Amino acid sequence: DQQVKQNSPSLSVQEGRISILNCDYTNSMFDYFLWYKKYPAEGPTFLISISSIKDKNEDGRFTVFLNKSAKHLSLHIVPSQPGDSAVYFCAASLSGTYKYIFGTGTRLKVLA
Amino acid sequence: EPEVTQTPSHQVTQMGQEVILRCVPISNHLYFYWYRQILGQKVEFLVSFYNNEISEKSEIFDDQFSVERPDGSNFTLKIRSTKLEDSAMYFCASSVQGAETEAFFGQGTRLTVV
Repeated sequence: DQQVKQNSPSLSVQEGRISILNCDYTNSMFDYFLWYKKYPAEGPTFLISISSIKDKNEDGRFTVFLNKSAKHLSLHIVPSQPGDSAVYFCAASLSGTYKYIFGTGTRLKVLA
Repeated sequence: EPEVTQTPSHQVTQMGQEVILRCVPISNHLYFYWYRQILGQKVEFLVSFYNNEISEKSEIFDDQFSVERPDGSNFTLKIRSTKLEDSAMYFCASSVQGAETEAFFGQGTRLTVV
């Protein structure tokens, strides 16, 4: 039962351009969403989050958009840098619960 | 910057042996988690822990697994009798509150069962 899906296993983007990573979820009760970045052999690093009461949250080069009606969120990275090359996971949770459900990840490669 | 620390970074064990993975969560965090990632697969939830008891656990977290907070700083995951399929990266995480706040993850322990 994959409640959080990232349908693109990989994405390549030129340095300086925008990277858009997508995530879909099936449980309309989820009310908190997160993006994590992960390098090989390291733990996930928290990037940005958004509550379901918002549709956008911005932090520097990272912006997360939430479309509740479509059960879809996306992470925009502008401008993309080679150091952004990593696997990006979206995750979702439900207030009052005690777990985050992760998507399968998208490997982003930013080309210099 | 506060961080979650895990030891050891790599553990090799014989099938059937017990292993204990250790974590020191961020000091003011109250909720603790274990996740694992089998090579190339998704990050899977194992268990969450709050106020000295398990809050939630997945179907993966069977009787072979246990968690403990033996003192005020450490949080451990024990696998009683390891199997080959337990080989994975195990990540500890902590959060200030429950899953409505962000969790911060440690660097992971690579467990290899031979």
